[in-house]
Amino acid sequence: EPEVTQTPSHQVTQMGQEVILRCVPISNHLYFYWYRQILGQKVEFLVSFYNNEISEKSEIFDDQFSVERPDGSNFTLKIRSTKLEDSAMYFCASRRGLSSTDTQYFGPGTRLTVL
Amino acid sequence: GENVEQHPSTLSVQEGDSAVIKCTYSDSASNYFPWYKQELGKGPQLIIDIRSNVGEKKDQRIAVTLNKTAKHFSLHITETQPEDSAVYFCAAMTSYQKVTFGTGTKLQVIP
Repeated sequence: EPEVTQTPSHQVTQMGQEVILRCVPISNHLYFYWYRQILGQKVEFLVSFYNNEISEKSEIFDDQFSVERPDGSNFTLKIRSTKLEDSAMYFCASRRGLSSTDTQYFGPGTRLTVL
Repeated sequence: GENVEQHPSTLSVQEGDSAVIKCTYSDSASNYFPWYKQELGKGPQLIIDIRSNVGEKKDQRIAVTLNKTAKHFSLHITETQPEDSAVYFCAAMTSYQKVTFGTGTKLQVIP
């Protein structure tokens, strides 16, 4: 069964450093998403992306964050200058379309630790 | 925006008993309600969903109910097994683009 993959599984970085989290969505999916989950809390929406554009973003997704689909397969989340509070699990998700039968599928996540 | 409340936050049941998790949502425009199971160190996995034109859906030991008028939806797991132990999230979709998650229920099935 096709699945969303994410790399790395764990990323440790120093405060102020830039990080790039990578995702490979399911191949025939057109809509892509990033979510985050701070330890012990609920999963929070960050951003959605379609046709090389951000279609919706939350208040969490400020100027420090950016997303990109640099080629036909990868979908990346960049945090320019990490803060301690960016430590969380980051989940990528993808969806084939917007019909009522299309569901978001989540990747296994990247654990980001900011020291 | 949408707000999804979920109860209880933790739930312990004996193996073989039933488990019920309840959620409420705020935005009457929400029309799709997925339930996710999250095991330790993994991403949320869709286990069942229900759409707003349906009141109940069942898949083997799992069932979901939806009351649109009251903005309530529930997950029912019957004949629980130890492998059902996980964190369960309800969610609601209003816009087509984002899932709003509930706060999660940690289910422990005691053998």
